[in-house]
Amino acid sequence: LAKTTQPISMDSYEGQEVNITCSHNNIATNDYITWYQQFPSQGPRFIIQGYKTKVTNEVASLFIPADRKSSTLSLPRVSLSDTAVYYCLVGDARPRNAGNNRKLIWGLGTSLAVNP
Amino acid sequence: EAGVAQSPRYKIIEKRQSVAFWCNPISGHATLYWYQQILGQGPKLLIQFQNNGVVDDSQLPKDRFSAERLKGVDSTLKIQPAKLEDSAVYLCASSPHSSGRPSTDTQYFGPGTRLTVL
Repeated sequence: LAKTTQPISMDSYEGQEVNITCSHNNIATNDYITWYQQFPSQGPRFIIQGYKTKVTNEVASLFIPADRKSSTLSLPRVSLSDTAVYYCLVGDARPRNAGNNRKLIWGLGTSLAVNP
Repeated sequence: EAGVAQSPRYKIIEKRQSVAFWCNPISGHATLYWYQQILGQGPKLLIQFQNNGVVDDSQLPKDRFSAERLKGVDSTLKIQPAKLEDSAVYLCASSPHSSGRPSTDTQYFGPGTRLTVL
């Protein structure tokens, strides 16, 4: 199973860029890296997913080095509403009956606090 | 597009009682997940359905938890009897994943059901 390590918490201020790094040393060839965001009393929400190099969408960027043993979620110009828990997941979500057991494992996530 | 619906949103029961949660996934989504999220922790997968078949229930406490997905659409999760340690938020998620390709699949979560066992 792909284990991930990320900081438990981070603090930032409005307007700053926030970078959250996740370590996943035993990532496998078919594994993707996915980040979710969770607000209190809500279910997690997909932010971004990538396999290698860099992925960017309207919400964030995901940087993945060549060895893929880590990844960095970058949130540009955060606001108070970005205060949430951010989860890094590594795995291959194909059904187990396809002979794959690298299911997604959710860690503790990173609790980001954005201050005014 | 309607999201994943769950009910009830909150439930308070006493230990040894039974409880059931209901989930209606996004229309057309083949895969349905039930997660347990204890306060301060990440979601823990309880069971995963692909259409109406179980793909993974390795972390489901089968002596007290059961789940079914009738006709490959709605799903119910039941706890019988409940224990104090079952107090948690139960999240349902669905994804359109139906192929054998490596994961590019996004999970869409419902709001969850907060269970308190007294």
